[in-house]
Amino acid sequence: NAGVTQTPKFQVLKTGQSMTLQCAQDMNHEYMSWYRQDPGMGLRLIHYSVGAGITDQGEVPNGYNVSRSTTEDFPLRLLSAAPSQTSVYFCASSYTLGGFPYFGPGTRLLVL
Amino acid sequence: KNQVEQSPQSLIILEGKNCTLQCNYTVSPFSNLRWYKQDTGRGPVSLTIMTFSENTKSNGRYTATLDADTKQSSLHITASQLSDSASYICVVSAKEGNKLVFGAGTILRVKS
Repeated sequence: NAGVTQTPKFQVLKTGQSMTLQCAQDMNHEYMSWYRQDPGMGLRLIHYSVGAGITDQGEVPNGYNVSRSTTEDFPLRLLSAAPSQTSVYFCASSYTLGGFPYFGPGTRLLVL
Repeated sequence: KNQVEQSPQSLIILEGKNCTLQCNYTVSPFSNLRWYKQDTGRGPVSLTIMTFSENTKSNGRYTATLDADTKQSSLHITASQLSDSASYICVVSAKEGNKLVFGAGTILRVKS
């Protein structure tokens, strides 16, 4: 099993640009989530999904959109990037809602 | 407010020495607690999970303890190796709301 995979590994954007961070898992987990990690802070939940077609907001959802058309994929969209969105983004999946997640390798995003 | 505090923020030790990382939480009602290891540039990987009834659990040179009365957990690393250099994250699961609360992590550097 590949586990949780993310692409790209690193991305540079200009303010106002849009992009999609890709995430896929092959563990047949119903629950998937996106976190951002900033220096000196714990991982913060952006959005999560409890199954295909069902998504909900986490702690810091503003500026991000998600969709879940299949069990395997959970992309994160930045519609208009801002410097405050410079961060490392982790996709994760788990067996249960609130269960401890398996994390992907991360995407490092720099917004200029 | 549910919080997880880790100490120290960072730590430098010599190879072969032991160290202990602390995690204090105010999450209530408590479900369980997990320690993750995050290597530089990688996603967090689970080290061990502690349930309410467990006091001690070992995983090789890593030993986690839990005192649910004082709401404290520790991660003890024995005979440290250079590969132990990483960030160690404490995550607590709350029974209500299926919520995970992340600590900011302790950055450990092992020097030769």
